[in-house]
Amino acid sequence: DGGITQSPKYLFRKEGQNVTLSCEQNLNHDAMYWYRQDPGQGLRLIYYSQIVNDFQKGDIAEGYSVSREKKESFPLTVTSAQKNPTAFYLCASSVTSGRAGLKGEQFFGPGTRLTVL
Amino acid sequence: QKEVEQNSGPLSVPEGAIASLNCTYSDRGSQSFFWYRQYSGKSPELIMFIYSNGDKEDGRFTAQLNKASQYVSLLIRDSQPSDSATYLCAVNSPVSGGYNKLIFGAGTRLAVHP
Repeated sequence: DGGITQSPKYLFRKEGQNVTLSCEQNLNHDAMYWYRQDPGQGLRLIYYSQIVNDFQKGDIAEGYSVSREKKESFPLTVTSAQKNPTAFYLCASSVTSGRAGLKGEQFFGPGTRLTVL
Repeated sequence: QKEVEQNSGPLSVPEGAIASLNCTYSDRGSQSFFWYRQYSGKSPELIMFIYSNGDKEDGRFTAQLNKASQYVSLLIRDSQPSDSATYLCAVNSPVSGGYNKLIFGAGTRLAVHP
């Protein structure tokens, strides 16, 4: 089955801890994205990557870091500098070439719910 | 700041009725428009996309786009209780290198009651 997986499903963080959220896709998509969703709000873009070894800050990158060492993987680290990290984190991917790439359709993983204790 | 606006709802419709969900966007350069359905506690699922002015139908769903008015809507015919969810409107925003990112609205919560 082709798809996007995220782990863990639930994550609890203590104050001052860094935690890493995993995102893996086997869709052969070039682009990957991380979003944060707070209750009653839309998705806000944290980081995105269009190609391996390259990534760009989104609208709310402060307190987060990413890496893109492999096409299939785009892990997100929530650092202690992120003061209000409790949220639902969603990873997405899309193609970047051809007609579909120009249109920008994104497909989402199941999400990780992070809670600060 | 590029924005996508949706009425948060809840929009309550009886079973079998037509549900009409609306979205406006600020970036006139946007070319692609998407509707995602999100059940409570789950991730968004792409249900419709539209690129050209006019209507696009897929089963019980119809997406409507009016670029001059910067307005996109989603109609759900014969609404079912299983359609109860939050519907997110997303609009593409071109970035450097010819790539795209999506700008999401906050979503409209739809409740279909028997």
